[in-house]
Amino acid sequence: TQLLEQSPQFLSIQEGENLTVYCNSSSVFSSLQWYRQEPGEGPVLLVTVVTGGEVKKLKRLTFQFGDARKDSSLHITAAQPGDTGLYLCAVVYGGATNKLIFGTGTLLAVQP
Amino acid sequence: DAGITQSPRHKVTETGTPVTLRCHQTENHRYMYWYRQDPGHGLRLIHYSYGVKDTDKGEVSDGYSVSRSKTEDFLLTLESATSSQTSVYFCAISQGLARTEAFFGQGTRLTVV
Repeated sequence: TQLLEQSPQFLSIQEGENLTVYCNSSSVFSSLQWYRQEPGEGPVLLVTVVTGGEVKKLKRLTFQFGDARKDSSLHITAAQPGDTGLYLCAVVYGGATNKLIFGTGTLLAVQP
Repeated sequence: DAGITQSPRHKVTETGTPVTLRCHQTENHRYMYWYRQDPGHGLRLIHYSYGVKDTDKGEVSDGYSVSRSKTEDFLLTLESATSSQTSVYFCAISQGLARTEAFFGQGTRLTVV
């Protein structure tokens, strides 16, 4: 059982559609990160959310941290082919050891 | 771009042989991580380091060992490679504490035949 479960695992949509992907856990976290990974590259940080209920926007991407700080969602409005990639959530825990764990990922394909 | 270099970038090795992957950073970040990436599994943590000579196991550490003798280098060793260790391996670094953003290397594609 993984600490962070993401859904859906795969998503293929047409350009211009909206979508939401989810990151869920049974544990409570002080913060949560979202990364995007393009083929052949390492993941790149999109955003960090730190407060229960927090909403952050990055252009057409909207990130929300659940009130109980156990889950998060990423909503993309009017998806574009450039949004194609693997979306990963991640949490840091373990106190001073800074253990960084990633979720199972959502692979998004946006068709033109 | 963060200064992280993984070597080699590609490697094919035979079952049963030892393999060492190297991660080198020029950022002086305290924390370093090794992950493997396989379809359907996201990134799984193998081992990580929170300082020179300070390392700990991750989720999938069996068959792997690590060493960190200086801040800039973090080595991952497959003691006796198996086909199940065929994967893409990523190294990451982080300053940690309030600055938890992780920066990744380009990855190493390892094939065990």
